[in-house]
Parts: sequence; structure tokens; C-alpha cells
Amino acid sequence: DAGVTQSPTHLIKTRGQQVTLRCSPISGHKSVSWYQQVLGQGPQFIFQYYEKEERGRGNFPDRFSARQFPNYSSELNVNALLLGDSALYLCASSPPTGNYGYTFGSGTRLTVV
Amino acid sequence: DQQVKQNSPSLSVQEGRISILNCDYTNSMFDYFLWYKKYPAEGPTFLISISSIKDKNEDGRFTVFLNKSAKHLSLHIVPSQPGDSAVYFCAASDEGNKLVFGAGTILRVKS
Repeated sequence: DAGVTQSPTHLIKTRGQQVTLRCSPISGHKSVSWYQQVLGQGPQFIFQYYEKEERGRGNFPDRFSARQFPNYSSELNVNALLLGDSALYLCASSPPTGNYGYTFGSGTRLTVV
Repeated sequence: DQQVKQNSPSLSVQEGRISILNCDYTNSMFDYFLWYKKYPAEGPTFLISISSIKDKNEDGRFTVFLNKSAKHLSLHIVPSQPGDSAVYFCAASDEGNKLVFGAGTILRVKS
């Protein structure tokens, strides 16, 4: 049974560019959340989507956007990249019921140069 | 505004002994608390959780204690094993749509 899959695993971009990160949740999970983990810190909440609707948004600028598709996969887009956007981006999925059963993917390591 | 704090960046424990990882929080609206373990190049893996209506939850070698009046929780690992060496994150939630994480504690279990 496949877990949460994220692509790509690593990415190097230049300042000012745009990036799209992808996530496929566990089969049957309808909720997807995105987190940013900067080195030395814990993951920080960016977005949550449930049934293609945005359910929550963290304290991130409008350069960050996301969407969820009918098959419950999700994309995170970041525009006008800054050096400070360099981080591990984690996707987590959770089942439709139950309490906080988040399963995380291995993440996408984004480096902005 | 750090709502969840793990004040010990690292902890070193001898194999077979108890590991105690601590976490403090400031938001009294948090109603669910979780511990995650993270190895390098992997995502966080769920370990154990506790609802705010309980003060203890046990799962094998792992026990989480919650002291609501002190806004403090701790994770006990007994006995500690070398494979437990990882970064441990404390997380909390108040509405079910997001987790607030601490900065993590690096646990090293020496054999």
C-alpha cells in the first residue's frame, strides 16, 4: 500500500523563478496538507485542502498557492522565489474521519540560489 | 510567536535507559497533542498522541504524559534503543486542520 508520494525529491531553482511541487495522498485520504520545514526548525503549516476546498492557510505570503484535484492529489506553487524559500516541503494526508491521523511524505528539498 | 516549544535541542541517553523528551505549549485551545519521529531524508513518522481530556497514553515502549495546568507534555521511551536515535517533534492542534510543531529534539541513544 503506497504511502504519501511527493515529487520531485530535490529541486534547485534561481531567485525569481516559479516552482510546482506535487503530492499524491494515501488511497482513500481526501485531505492534503502542506508544510515547510526550514533547517533547524519544526514543520510550519502552509495549507490544508479537503475535497478540493481550502480548509486552512498558514502565515505565508500570497506567492504561495495550492490546489487539490478530483483524484485528491495536490500541487503547491511558489512564485517569485526568494533565498529564504529554501526548505524541505512536506505533504501530509489524512483520512476523512478520525483524529489527526496525518501521514507525511518524504518531502521535496527545494534549494533557491 | 512560538506556541509549541521544545527547549532541549538534543539529548543523549545510554541504551536500555529511559529517554524523556519535553514539550511546552502556550495555547490553551490546543486539544490534541502528537509526537513525531524523523530520520534524515524521510518525512516525520507518527509515534503517539494524546487528547487533552487524558493525562497519559501508552503504546509499547512509548508513553506520553500531559499536564494541562502546566501546559507541558513529555514523551518517555523505555527502554531506549539505538534505533530510536532521530529527531523528535512535539505537535499540537486546536481545530484539526493544522498542526503546530516544536523545533525538535535530537535524541542520540548510545550503545
